[in-house]
Amino acid sequence: EAGVAQSPRYKIIEKRQSVAFWCNPISGHATLYWYQQILGQGPKLLIQFQNNGVVDDSQLPKDRFSAERLKGVDSTLKIQPAKLEDSAVYLCASSLSTGTGNTIYFGEGSWLTVV
Amino acid sequence: TQLLEQSPQFLSIQEGENLTVYCNSSSVFSSLQWYRQEPGEGPVLLVTVVTGGEVKKLKRLTFQFGDARKDSSLHITAAQPGDTGLYLCAGDRTGANNLFFGTGTRLTVIP
Repeated sequence: EAGVAQSPRYKIIEKRQSVAFWCNPISGHATLYWYQQILGQGPKLLIQFQNNGVVDDSQLPKDRFSAERLKGVDSTLKIQPAKLEDSAVYLCASSLSTGTGNTIYFGEGSWLTVV
Repeated sequence: TQLLEQSPQFLSIQEGENLTVYCNSSSVFSSLQWYRQEPGEGPVLLVTVVTGGEVKKLKRLTFQFGDARKDSSLHITAAQPGDTGLYLCAGDRTGANNLFFGTGTRLTVIP
């Protein structure tokens, strides 16, 4: 079974530029997550989708971050304009549903460096 | 403030030793999960605990969920170099599989 796919794996941009990350979840997984992991810290949830609807985006900095999952499958996360503190690994994950205890599968992450 | 505090933050031990990692919070969780993350990869689920007081074993790893479902521990017996990695606890507070991750414990097992 194919895992969660993310691209690009690495991205270096200058501050104030924009960047977009793409995620393809495991086939059949209704729930998709974007997490931000800053070096030396645990992942922080940015947004959780159930199909194409948002379950939780309370920690998403909406002035610069946006995410969509228009057809309930693939998702994109965009940052515009980027700040130095956005340097982190952006992890996409998916699970069958939102029920507690459902196994969440993570992708390898997209590494962002803002200079 | 961190919702989930892990201790210790760093741990370096010799192969064959035992160790315990703690995950503490003032919040109650519907479920709590433990993950291991290796460099350049995403976290991989080790175990999920749901019931207060629950104990689960995975080979040399023993996981316990506190009676009040606010804390958890991970005990590794006879650690091996392959156990090296970042151990993360994560709690679901809302019941919607919406995980808050701990601060992480970086374990190094020296051969």
